[in-house]
Amino acid sequence: KAGVTQTPRYLIKTRGQQVTLSCSPISGHRSVSWYQQTPGQGLQFLFEYFSETQRNKGNFPGRFSGRQFSNSRSEMNVSTLELGDSALYLCASSSRAFNYGYTFGSGTRLTVV
Amino acid sequence: KQEVTQIPAALSVPEGENLVLNCSFTDSAIYNLQWFRQDPGKGLTSLLLIQSSQREQTSGRLNASLDKSSGRSTLYIAASQPGDSATYLCAVGETSGSRLTFGEGTQLTVNP
Repeated sequence: KAGVTQTPRYLIKTRGQQVTLSCSPISGHRSVSWYQQTPGQGLQFLFEYFSETQRNKGNFPGRFSGRQFSNSRSEMNVSTLELGDSALYLCASSSRAFNYGYTFGSGTRLTVV
Repeated sequence: KQEVTQIPAALSVPEGENLVLNCSFTDSAIYNLQWFRQDPGKGLTSLLLIQSSQREQTSGRLNASLDKSSGRSTLYIAASQPGDSATYLCAVGETSGSRLTFGEGTQLTVNP
């Protein structure tokens, strides 16, 4: 059974640019969540999508956005990149009832220079 | 706002020792609690999931307990091995289930 797949694994972007990260959940999982991990702030919740609808959102500026497609794949976009956006971005998927917890992908390491 | 604290922040033990990692949370109205392991530069690997109605879960050398009323969970690792060296993260699922709040983690080093 394939796990959660995140692409790309590594990205280097220049300040002011925008970036799109992709996440393919486990087959049959309809909930996809995104988290940002930095040394200073730890793991912070960005947003969660279920059946193409954003159901929950963390405390991040509007530069961070996401969407989910009908096949449950999700993308996250960050516009006008800042140096502080450098982080490991993790995607997690879960079944509808969350009874089985979350499965995380390997993450996308974003470096903003 | 849910807050999750993990103690200790770092732990170094000799191989073979039994150890306990602690996790506390401020809001007892949780959906579930999940323990993860993270190796440097990698994603999270789920170790154990405890539903809010459960008291403990076991997998191999790992045992996790949950006391909702006191807002505490512990992860017990028996007969530690160098391969157990990693950062262990506790995450509390809010009642809607759609959001996890993480602790800062415990960095474990098991010395041969």
